Amino acid sequence: KNEVEQSPQNLTAQEGEFITINCSYSVGISALHWLQQHPGGGIVSLFMLSSGKKKHGRLIATINIQEKHSSLHITASHPRDSAVYICAVIEARQGGGADGLTFGKGTHLIIQP
Amino acid sequence: DTGVSQDPRHKITKRGQNVTFRCDPISEHNRLYWYRQTLGQGPEFLTYFQNEAQLEKSRLLSDRFSAERPKGSFSTLEIQRTEQGDSAMYLCASSLRETRSYNEQFFGPGTRLTVL
Repeated sequence: KNEVEQSPQNLTAQEGEFITINCSYSVGISALHWLQQHPGGGIVSLFMLSSGKKKHGRLIATINIQEKHSSLHITASHPRDSAVYICAVIEARQGGGADGLTFGKGTHLIIQP
Repeated sequence: DTGVSQDPRHKITKRGQNVTFRCDPISEHNRLYWYRQTLGQGPEFLTYFQNEAQLEKSRLLSDRFSAERPKGSFSTLEIQRTEQGDSAMYLCASSLRETRSYNEQFFGPGTRLTVL
């Protein structure tokens, strides 16, 4: 079973700061999701990536498959970025098969004005 | 709204009662997933369907849990004889399974179950 670890678990920062959230996993994967969850529970997919780097607005996600590590960066952070950020992986399986996600516990981010 | 929808959004029930949740995936999506999230934890995989076939079930899915997707569109998750430990957010997601592509999953808003 893939073990997905996120750090930090909690992060409080000031508006405008550069934010980095890290994710590591133990078993080879097909792809990795970064997800955002606001109070109330709804989950939004921010990125799905299998290699390299993706950018969307102020969000950047990188992945290093060899090191089994991914990072999510937020530039010029804003209070509306306050949420739980969850890393989730899809294991690589020969012949395909199930791709239910394995999730980290999440990073609770608070951006103070 | 063409996203994933779930009903109800909140359910409060007494221990021992049965509850049923519904998930409507994005219309062209052939895969549907159920996850459970307890307070302070990340979601955990329960089961998934490809069309109407239930292809995998987690060991978390005890005999009291049953999921169906009879016509390959919406799905229901039923919990019989609810226990306080079943209190959680139940999340549904859907994806379009295509060859050679990764299956980005799109999540519904969740159903929050409280068992008293």
